[in-house]
Amino acid sequence: GEDVEQSLFLSVREGDSSVINCTYTDSSSTYLYWYKQEPGAGLQLLTYIFSNMDMKQDQRLTVLLNKKDKHLSLRIADTQTGDSAIYFCAEIRNSGNTPLVFGKGTRLSVIA
Amino acid sequence: EADIYQTPRYLVIGTGKKITLECSQTMGHDKMYWYQQDPGMELHLIHYSYGVNSTEKGDLSSESTVSRIRTEHFPLTLESARPSHTSQYLCATRGSGETQYFGPGTRLLVL
Repeated sequence: GEDVEQSLFLSVREGDSSVINCTYTDSSSTYLYWYKQEPGAGLQLLTYIFSNMDMKQDQRLTVLLNKKDKHLSLRIADTQTGDSAIYFCAEIRNSGNTPLVFGKGTRLSVIA
Repeated sequence: EADIYQTPRYLVIGTGKKITLECSQTMGHDKMYWYQQDPGMELHLIHYSYGVNSTEKGDLSSESTVSRIRTEHFPLTLESARPSHTSQYLCATRGSGETQYFGPGTRLLVL
């Protein structure tokens, strides 16, 4: 099965909150990441969280980590049309020398 | 932020041609990666490097090759391009820390 799983699509109205979910399988994950990709561009690192943390907040972004359930979420408050993009969850394991493992991405569509 | 440069940004080429996609970085990062991504789709790791003279194959079987003669450069070569190689190619780097940075990508169209 997939190592990192995400739902493929999410649609929200402008001004509402968006919550993008991710599950992972490897308990040795040390860091977990959220990347944003706009059309035709590379991936932009949004935020990351260390595995000994439960929550991290950065302006409109809130990351929640439930290690017991191996569940990571990204909440975007007051979602704007400029937030429309693909969001990738990723993890790094063990010592960190191995490549990041990415989910398939969640396409967020913001309706004005 | 990271300085990662990919050239060309866009390339249209005929079947059978040899092409090299360039990736360069100015941060002195040891680890570098190449991903293949179809539009709006998942990332596939095709090659990576832990440092000079180190290259590894990724998860996706690829007909491309890479080299890492200098820390700053990690070129990707296709000896004979085919339409199935049409995709976006993303280069990424990571230093001793935990953050991986991506370049802007090269969009390749093989006719």
